[in-house]
Amino acid sequence: RKEVEQDPGPFNVPEGATVAFNCTYSNSASQSFFWYRQDCRKEPKLLMSVYSSGNEDGRFTAQLNRASQYISLLIRDSKLSDSATYLCVVTLGGTSYGKLTFGQGTILTVHP
Amino acid sequence: DVKVTQSSRYLVKRTGEKVFLECVQDMDHENMFWYRQDPGLGLRLIYFSYDVKMKEKGDIPEGYSVSREKKERFSLILESASTNQTSMYLCASSFLGRVYEQYFGPGTRLTVT
Repeated sequence: RKEVEQDPGPFNVPEGATVAFNCTYSNSASQSFFWYRQDCRKEPKLLMSVYSSGNEDGRFTAQLNRASQYISLLIRDSKLSDSATYLCVVTLGGTSYGKLTFGQGTILTVHP
Repeated sequence: DVKVTQSSRYLVKRTGEKVFLECVQDMDHENMFWYRQDPGLGLRLIYFSYDVKMKEKGDIPEGYSVSREKKERFSLILESASTNQTSMYLCASSFLGRVYEQYFGPGTRLTVT
């Protein structure tokens, strides 16, 4: 079983739609969680952290369910520029130490 | 802006060749990382380093080695390239206390024939 699993998609949604991605992780000792974004043929970039209490940044909301070991990312009012691959990231060592484990990514395409 | 540069965007090598991939960062980051990215498998950590001359194995170190002689430079070495090492190689760096905030280079697409 992969440590971090994501639905690879692709998700094809119209502009203005709300879309949600889930990600599951297998190690219950995982401490910290993040979403990265990777545009086509570009490098990954940190999008946001995920906290137990939820985390909102504009149109993006990330949530963590430790009991079920899954992380979600919700995008409201999708824009064409949101088209990218979204990578779920988990670490055992908290935010300051250790290595990141990446999911394989979920592809989102937003069309006019 | 943080800048992470990699020596080549595209590289074609023959089986058995020794291959060097270079990565340089300009933000005085303590941590540096080498990943490979393959379709369906995502990013997988090969090696990382949290200080000069220090190195730690990642999830898939077999067939690779690394060198960090200077803080800003982290090299990935394929001692004897094989076709299953054809991949996109990404270097990243971060501050010691912020391992989750990694800055990636543009990647090197390596093809081994």
